[in-house]
Amino acid sequence: AQRVTQPEKLLSVFKGAPVELKCNYSYSGSPELFWYVQYSRQRLQLLLRHISRESIKGFTADLNKGETSFHLKKPFAQEEDSAMYYCALSAQENTPLVFGKGTRLSVIA
Amino acid sequence: GAVVSQHPSRVICKSGTSVKIECRSLDFQATTMFWYRQFPKKSLMLMATSNEGSKATYEQGVEKDKFLINHASLTLSTLTVTSAHPEDSSFYICSAIRDFPDWEQFFGPGTRLTVL
Repeated sequence: AQRVTQPEKLLSVFKGAPVELKCNYSYSGSPELFWYVQYSRQRLQLLLRHISRESIKGFTADLNKGETSFHLKKPFAQEEDSAMYYCALSAQENTPLVFGKGTRLSVIA
Repeated sequence: GAVVSQHPSRVICKSGTSVKIECRSLDFQATTMFWYRQFPKKSLMLMATSNEGSKATYEQGVEKDKFLINHASLTLSTLTVTSAHPEDSSFYICSAIRDFPDWEQFFGPGTRLTVL
């Protein structure tokens, strides 16, 4: 079975501090991993996906198959990063995403 | 990015009535759309996969006769909550898959359903 675990419901950091949002997954095959972000009163939007290896808004995430993790990182948090972040897994293309429960990031000025 | 719309954004109805929610992909065609339900402070729960021109595939525990899904065109899927009850009150979110250039899911803004 596919499962995504985000252990932190809430993460508060000061502006300028590093951020790491944890995500672990359970899947026997080779999944595709994603991070989605939901800003206040806005829809879910894709932040990044592991196959593209891009850095979006200063965020990066590396897929660690040994640890089955896909933690989201940013070296210097900004106030505008405050949002709900969801880690998600897809077994293959065109299949529904399995979401973690989300982590609310609060960046304090 | 591509745009997915939902209508209505918010609906209040009486218990026992039916409510239809529309999900549209505005600038791409989507053979596959998904319907999710989100409870307060919870993650998204997949309800069903909507396939254009064929029957929807429902997740375990989701009543197909209660949550009717119709994907009549490549840009429109509808979710009808039949004989709504207060426990159906929730936030319903759809997503649509765009296949080109890379496959990606785009989410609608969600519909807040309140059943009195």
